[in-house]
Amino acid sequence: DAGITQSPRHKVTETGTPVTLRCHQTENHRYMYWYRQDPGHGLRLIHYSYGVKDTDKGEVSDGYSVSRSKTEDFLLTLESATSSQTSVYFCAIRLDRGPRGTDTQYFGPGTRLTVL
Amino acid sequence: KQEVTQIPAALSVPEGENLVLNCSFTDSAIYNLQWFRQDPGKGLTSLLLIQSSQREQTSGRLNASLDKSSGRSTLYIAASQPGDSATYLCAVKGQGAQKLVFGQGTRLTINP
Repeated sequence: DAGITQSPRHKVTETGTPVTLRCHQTENHRYMYWYRQDPGHGLRLIHYSYGVKDTDKGEVSDGYSVSRSKTEDFLLTLESATSSQTSVYFCAIRLDRGPRGTDTQYFGPGTRLTVL
Repeated sequence: KQEVTQIPAALSVPEGENLVLNCSFTDSAIYNLQWFRQDPGKGLTSLLLIQSSQREQTSGRLNASLDKSSGRSTLYIAASQPGDSATYLCAVKGQGAQKLVFGQGTRLTINP
């Protein structure tokens, strides 16, 4: 599992509230990613990071921000949660030199977020 | 814009059969292709990664092939077992791109 944990694993919140999801890794991988998974859309990239304080947008970044103040933690914030952000959120790291070759991505267990 | 398609969306076969899962992509300028497995309520587990210069990769009973020019990859599962039941996703990474583009997956059920 490449030492990836996500917290919380489940969260229910109300529309308009801010929410922060945390991804933590223990192996100092440079690249980290946030995806969301929705029926009918599959997995889509929200934001990614290529180092401390270095982040960039993915294809569905509106309404989300990220921060990475240290290598091991990548935070995803929903500034004002909406019902359309109800989803399962996955964090991933990129393994540059893995047993399956370069560039393998490993995923965390996911966070199920419900916005009422 | 890269699009990845997996057909069928669901597949049910009896235990012991060999089977093939299909993945097609629209832009052949890929850097690599990765197959994942996802169990219900769980994260994704990487199964195999094929670089664009490779034709196939093998891991145990799994064999993934890549035909970049035709925009296709297959995942072959030999001697299927009930424990192989899961959703299988393929994802491609474009040249110079950071993100993976995922297919929507094939939900596989192996019946004892």
